[in-house]
Amino acid sequence: AQSVSQHNHHVILSEAASLELGCNYSYGGTVNLFWYVQYPGQHLQLLLKYFSGDPLVKGIKGFEAEFIKSKFSFNLRKPSVQWSDTAEYFCAVNARGTTDSWGKLQFGAGTQVVVTP
Amino acid sequence: NAGVMQNPRHLVRRRGQEARLRCSPMKGHSHVYWYRQLPEEGLKFMVYLQKENIIDESGMPKERFSAEFPKEGPSILRIQQVVRGDSAAYFCASSPPSGHARLHEQYFGPGTRLTVT
Repeated sequence: AQSVSQHNHHVILSEAASLELGCNYSYGGTVNLFWYVQYPGQHLQLLLKYFSGDPLVKGIKGFEAEFIKSKFSFNLRKPSVQWSDTAEYFCAVNARGTTDSWGKLQFGAGTQVVVTP
Repeated sequence: NAGVMQNPRHLVRRRGQEARLRCSPMKGHSHVYWYRQLPEEGLKFMVYLQKENIIDESGMPKERFSAEFPKEGPSILRIQQVVRGDSAAYFCASSPPSGHARLHEQYFGPGTRLTVT
């Protein structure tokens, strides 16, 4: 069975600092990869996704993520964070060609990011 | 275009009562997913439905939980004889129909926070 692990549960950083959130998954086949964000009091929003092609994907609000197949990783990055990036970030995976339906997203436990002014 | 709607946003039930959670997918979407989020945990997949069909219920507890997505009306997640351990946030997501370019993107609703007293 596939699983998703996020390295940090809580991250605190100052405005203008760079952010990198780790995400690793355990599945050897073809996967779709996602990062979702949940701002305080709001619902989950899709930040970016990788299906195929260029392993460096760009999302909304200046975020990007790199798929490294050999490391089973899909780390999220932002060069310079703002206070408004304070949120919880979730990595998610679904797999193609398994007994699981492709609709079954596996989520990591989430990383709470706090950006201080 | 309205997003995924869930109601109620908050639901309080006493042990032994029934809880009904409703989800209206985005306009034009024909796939619905339910997830549960326990405190300090990521979202856990419960069930994936299309109109009048359950596609994947591998994440549903064997007893007391059921889900439907009728031809007309919202999807319903039903929990019978609730227990304290059912207290959680329940999220619904929807995605476009098969053949759509964004088929694999799930759009989430605001969630229903169930509290069992």
